[in-house]
Amino acid sequence: DAGITQSPRYKITETGRQVTLMCHQTWSHSYMFWYRQDLGHGLRLIYYSAAADITDKGEVPDGYVVSRSKTENFPLTLESATRSQTSVYFCASKTGGNTEAFFGQGTRLTVV
Amino acid sequence: QQQVKQSPQSLIVQKGGIPIINCAYENTAFDYFPWYQQFPGKGPALLIAIRPDVSEKKEGRFTISFNKSAKQFSLHIMDSQPGDSATYFCAAVEATSGTYKYIFGTGTRLKVLA
Repeated sequence: DAGITQSPRYKITETGRQVTLMCHQTWSHSYMFWYRQDLGHGLRLIYYSAAADITDKGEVPDGYVVSRSKTENFPLTLESATRSQTSVYFCASKTGGNTEAFFGQGTRLTVV
Repeated sequence: QQQVKQSPQSLIVQKGGIPIINCAYENTAFDYFPWYQQFPGKGPALLIAIRPDVSEKKEGRFTISFNKSAKQFSLHIMDSQPGDSATYFCAAVEATSGTYKYIFGTGTRLKVLA
């Protein structure tokens, strides 16, 4: 299917476990982003990537790791999940220039 | 610190009313200002966007007003409908060193009453 897809849609994990959220886009967009959405905070940028093998920190990167070995994939890993990382996570992608960023459907992560 | 301040947090209007959502920013390096609409359980989707060299942009019932000197911009929804009930996010984009950082406001939850 064309577009940007996130998996899983829902995930419950325990404190201290490692969990990886997947993001895949079929457009070959150069830029990809990870956001977390929390009530009262809106969408906060965790990490972004300008191209394969190029990543950089956003506003709230602590506790997260990303990689981008292929243009189409941008996984987000929580190395040791904490309850404060309970959130809805959105992946997005875009081409260069001031163009639309397309968002995935989100992953609702609960850390218990 | 919140780089893009959005208000109000929530808004209720009657059908046909004109809800207005406001955003303010400090960073003069921002050079693109999109608005996103999000329905429950969905990802945000682009609604309308403006560049700082334009003071107003209209697309259908949606209008962005931009005041560069005040570093403020706002979204107006004309003849609002119950189907417009959603959360709206303003954003500011900074393009530096060949990359693009989208910074979002905290969102406004709009409810349009039938």
